[in-house]
Amino acid sequence: KAGVTQTPRYLIKTRGQQVTLSCSPISGHRSVSWYQQTPGQGLQFLFEYFSETQRNKGNFPGRFSGRQFSNSRSEMNVSTLELGDSALYLCASSVSGRSADTQYFGPGTRLTVL
Amino acid sequence: AQTVTQSQPEMSVQEAETVTLSCTYDTSESNYYLFWYKQPPSRQMILVIRQEAYKQQNATENRFSVNFQKAAKSFSLKISDSQLGDTAMYFCAFIYNNAGNMLTFGGGTRLMVKP
Repeated sequence: KAGVTQTPRYLIKTRGQQVTLSCSPISGHRSVSWYQQTPGQGLQFLFEYFSETQRNKGNFPGRFSGRQFSNSRSEMNVSTLELGDSALYLCASSVSGRSADTQYFGPGTRLTVL
Repeated sequence: AQTVTQSQPEMSVQEAETVTLSCTYDTSESNYYLFWYKQPPSRQMILVIRQEAYKQQNATENRFSVNFQKAAKSFSLKISDSQLGDTAMYFCAFIYNNAGNMLTFGGGTRLMVKP
């Protein structure tokens, strides 16, 4: 089975722009979660989608949004980019989104905001 | 809110030796799960081992084992017979039951295995 894939792997944007990141979960997985990883704040939960519905949301401003499609693929969008949004964005998928499920992570998208 | 603390930002160990990484957490929940994830320099995060809080027996996966002390809220990872491929960032993570997939991570421990 193919693992979790994320595109693009690298992105460079300027302040004020918006960006969309994509995540394709493992086949058969219905839950997708997003995390932001920075040297200063570490790994922080952004949001989780299950069956096209957002189930949980972390403590991030409304500029961060996401969605999930019927094939379980997910996108996250960041509008009005700020320098502090520079980070590695990881997505993870699991079979059913239960807390006991193992989450499988993708390689991440490295976003640099100039 | 749950918090996870890894008090050792960096550690090193000689190849073939044993190393223990520490993790403590704070929660008022009684039903939860704990994980150790490994993030090698290539950045793909992979699960090393998991522990269900309701299980008293410590989890073991080949060279990896945990020491789970529920009362002390401690969850350390022991790596035996360390290998060069174990060089990575290690993250301790917590999730309480019915939290969906909302993991709370510790700050990480950078482990270097030296030849």
